[in-house]
Amino acid sequence: RKEVEQDPGPFNVPEGATVAFNCTYSNSASQSFFWYRQDCRKEPKLLMSVYSSGNEDGRFTAQLNRASQYISLLIRDSKLSDSATYLCVVEGGTGTYKYIFGTGTRLKVLA
Amino acid sequence: DADVTQTPRNRITKTGKRIMLECSQTKGHDRMYWYRQDPGLGLRLIYYSFDVKDINKGEISDGYSVSRQAQAKFSLSLESAIPNQTALYFCATSPPGQGFEQFFGPGTRLTVL
Repeated sequence: RKEVEQDPGPFNVPEGATVAFNCTYSNSASQSFFWYRQDCRKEPKLLMSVYSSGNEDGRFTAQLNRASQYISLLIRDSKLSDSATYLCVVEGGTGTYKYIFGTGTRLKVLA
Repeated sequence: DADVTQTPRNRITKTGKRIMLECSQTKGHDRMYWYRQDPGLGLRLIYYSFDVKDINKGEISDGYSVSRQAQAKFSLSLESAIPNQTALYFCATSPPGQGFEQFFGPGTRLTVL
């Protein structure tokens, strides 16, 4: 089983739609969780950190479910500019400071 | 100016050649990382360094070596390049401690013929 798993997609959605991505992780000792955005052939950039209480940034909402070991990202009112690959990143468990990356979920927002 | 820079941005080389990829950062972070990205495999950690004297192998270090010349500089070498090292290589930095984001350089696209 992969340490971090994501549905690769692609998710093709119309502008204005709401879309949700999930990501599961295998190490129950993992401490920190992130969503990064990566445009084609560019470097990943932090979209948002994911906190136990959940967090929201404009149209983006991230949630963490430790019991089921998954994190989610919800994008409301999708824009064409949201088209990208979304990477789930989990910071390793106790005593390790390595970041484990999912393979990414591709989103394409259609006009 | 970019906080994390990588040189070269693109490189085509031949099997057996020695290649060095360089990374510099102005963020003042102690921690630096080298990753490679292949289609369908995500980012995989090659080496990481928590300070100038602390260098650690990642999950795919075979065929690679690194040098941390200063806090701001972390170089990745391919001693004898082979075609399956063709990939997109990213350098990243982060502050010490847990829960901090990583900052990535723009990447180096390496092709080994």
